[in-house]
Amino acid sequence: KAGVTQTPRYLIKTRGQQVTLSCSPISGHRSVSWYQQTPGQGLQFLFEYFSETQRNKGNFPGRFSGRQFSNSRSEMNVSTLELGDSALYLCASSRTGGFSSYNSPLHFGNGTRLTVT
Amino acid sequence: AQSVTQLDSQVPVFEEAPVELRCNYSSSVSVYLFWYVQYPNQGLQLLLKYLSGSTLVKGINGFEAEFNKSQTSFHLRKPSVHISDTAEYFCAVSEGGGTSYGKLTFGQGTILTVHP
Repeated sequence: KAGVTQTPRYLIKTRGQQVTLSCSPISGHRSVSWYQQTPGQGLQFLFEYFSETQRNKGNFPGRFSGRQFSNSRSEMNVSTLELGDSALYLCASSRTGGFSSYNSPLHFGNGTRLTVT
Repeated sequence: AQSVTQLDSQVPVFEEAPVELRCNYSSSVSVYLFWYVQYPNQGLQLLLKYLSGSTLVKGINGFEAEFNKSQTSFHLRKPSVHISDTAEYFCAVSEGGGTSYGKLTFGQGTILTVHP
């Protein structure tokens, strides 16, 4: 069974530009979550989507947005990039997005490393 | 709001020695607890989870953790480590109740280095 696939693996962008990251979840998983990982702030939750609806959101500015398609694939967009947006962006999928079931842990992809210059 | 504190940022240990990585959490509601491992240039891999029931949880690669509600701790242990266990380990918590969709709160990580 294929794991969570994130593309691209590496991105270099300039301040002020925008970027779109892509995530394909494990087959059968309908929930997709996004996280930002930086050395200073660690792992921080961005948002979660299920059946094309955002159900949960972290404390990030509106420049960070996402969407989910009918096949559960998800994209994350960051507009007006800042130097502080340089990070590893991780996508995770699960069957339901909830944690009460033993069959629904988060499965993470290998991430997209974004560098803003 | 919940928070997670991993008490050691780095833990050096010799091969075949036991190791304990410490994690304390703070939450006003019931929680689910997790340990993940991250190898260089990779994502996070689930080691084990506590949802309910027995407080001693066994995971992959010989790791286990014990949930202690009174001390709000969830320490990770392995009786004998290997060079291949060198990685960064993250403790995470999610609120119970089913409304915290997709959201885990992570600790700052503990880098485990196993020396030959």
